[in-house]
This record gives sequence, structure tokens and C-alpha cells, in this order.
Amino acid sequence: DTAVSQTPKYLVTQMGNDKSIKCEQNLGHDTMYWYKQDSKKFLKIMFSYNNKELIINETVPNRFSPKSPDKAHLNLHINSLELGDSAVYFCASTPGSADSTQYFGPGTRLTVL
Amino acid sequence: RKEVEQDPGPFNVPEGATVAFNCTYSNSASQSFFWYRQDCRKEPKLLMSVYSSGNEDGRFTAQLNRASQYISLLIRDSKLSDSATYLCATGGGNKLTFGTGTQLKVEL
Repeated sequence: DTAVSQTPKYLVTQMGNDKSIKCEQNLGHDTMYWYKQDSKKFLKIMFSYNNKELIINETVPNRFSPKSPDKAHLNLHINSLELGDSAVYFCASTPGSADSTQYFGPGTRLTVL
Repeated sequence: RKEVEQDPGPFNVPEGATVAFNCTYSNSASQSFFWYRQDCRKEPKLLMSVYSSGNEDGRFTAQLNRASQYISLLIRDSKLSDSATYLCATGGGNKLTFGTGTQLKVEL
């Protein structure tokens, strides 16, 4: 199936831990994103990479570090997790250029205890 | 003022009704406009792009009013399966900004 996939789907962890979320797309898109959707359902962009280069960083705490080993993968590492990090994290990709339609992964539901 | 604003609802409508949502945006330079649908505990999925001339896809009609800076979504003959949250998104280049969504509940 052509899609955007994320792992894990659920992540429950203690405050202070470090965790990673992985994202892969096989759509051949050049641009990938991380979004955070909080309990109020507000979907907010965090980062965007175009062909492995960071192009958008929306004043996210530096405990969050994205990494793009190649244009099909964009991972998110979070250090020293805090209660307020609990949210659903969505990866997305877009063809870019003239088409800014975003295609989302299934989401990772992070709960910090 | 938020960049993209929507009435959160919920809109409770009977099956078969026609319902319309609006979404206002503040960035007059926005070039792209979309409606996404998000089911509970799922990812947003593209419902339709919104073009300047307006566009229709089956029971769904989307319109753009650049002068007043809003986009609209009209759903005719609502089905139970239309129950979801509808997110509008605007932007340009590589960045989209999403509204917080309007919740629709279609009832028997």
C-alpha cells in the first residue's frame, strides 16, 4: 500500500524519559512534516523537511529533535518528556512544488505519566 | 486573531439535511485551501481542495471568497457516515495552517 506510516501507534512513558517516533512515506514526496494535535484538537505544525533539509521549525522546544536520514523518512526524538507533551503526533508528507496537499500518517498517541 | 478560525460546533443535524460550515482565514497571501475530514482517533484525510471558482464533489460543494477571506463547505443530503470533524486548511508553498475543526453529528 502507498501510504504514510508511523510507529509506534501508542506510546506510554514516564516523565523524564526519552522516546522516538518513526515515520516513513512511500509516496515519493519530497516534503515531510510533524504535527502535534493536543486535547483541544488543535493541529499545529512542528517541523518540516524538504529532501532531508529542515525548512520549517515552529519554535518547538529543543527537547524535540527531528531527523531525516533520507527523503522517505522523518523521525522525531523527544528528550526529557513532560506531561504537556501528551498529544497525538501526526507525520505528513506533500508532493511539494505546486501541490501542497498533505497526506497524514495514522498518528502516534503519546501519553506521558 | 487566529490564522484560521472555525465554529467548533457541534452541528447536530437530521439525516438528509443540508449543512454548511464556514472557515475564515487572516493571511490574505494564502494560495491553497482545503477541507479535511477527521474521524475520532484517526488522522485527517483530504476531503477536497477548494478552488477560486468553487468546486463540487458529489454531495459536497466547496467555495472560496477571497474578498471576505473565508471558505465554505456545503454538505447536501447528510448521511450518518458524514459524522466527523471537518478541518479547513489554508496556506502556500510548503506550509498549511489548520483550523481547529467543526464537529458534525448526523442523527436519525
